[in-house]
Amino acid sequence: RKEVEQDPGPFNVPEGATVAFNCTYSNSASQSFFWYRQDCRKEPKLLMSVYSSGNEDGRFTAQLNRASQYISLLFRDSKLSDSATYLCVFLSGNTGKLIFGQGTTLQVKP
Amino acid sequence: EAGVTQFPSHSVIEKGQTVTLRCDPISGHDNLYWYRRVMGKEIKFLLHFVKESKQDESGMPNNRFLAERTGGTYSTLKVQPAELEDSGVYFCASSQFFDGPLHFGNGTRLTVT
Repeated sequence: RKEVEQDPGPFNVPEGATVAFNCTYSNSASQSFFWYRQDCRKEPKLLMSVYSSGNEDGRFTAQLNRASQYISLLFRDSKLSDSATYLCVFLSGNTGKLIFGQGTTLQVKP
Repeated sequence: EAGVTQFPSHSVIEKGQTVTLRCDPISGHDNLYWYRRVMGKEIKFLLHFVKESKQDESGMPNNRFLAERTGGTYSTLKVQPAELEDSGVYFCASSQFFDGPLHFGNGTRLTVT
């Protein structure tokens, strides 16, 4: 079983739609979680960290469910510029090693 | 502030040849990481330096890969001899603290033919 599982998509949505992605992880000891965004042929960039109590950053909301071992990313009022691959990531142990999911591809259409 | 820079951006080599990738982290970042993404797969950890020391090299695929960070500044990743399955995008990242946000370079796209 993979350490991080994501639905690769692609998800095709119209502008203005609300989008939600889930990601499950297998290592119950994982403490730190993140969502990264990767544009085509570019490097991954940190979108937001995911806190236990859930957190918002503008149009984006991230949540963590430790009991079910998943994290989610929701964003409202999607824009064409949101088209990208969204990577679910967690920090493994205390060495700074990141474990990446395969990513979920989002295409926002006009 | 200059970001993480990687060189070259692309490299096409033949099987059996040697390639050396270079990464310059953000100045002052003690933590330097190498990651790799092969076609259709997730990004995978290769190794982690803290200054010039290898903190974790558990992700290095085999002894054809050699990473160095002499002086604790820039790092090199050498593949010798290269095999077809080494093709992919090699990312370098750095951070000030091990649990801090990682700043990724643009990556080196390696193609082995």
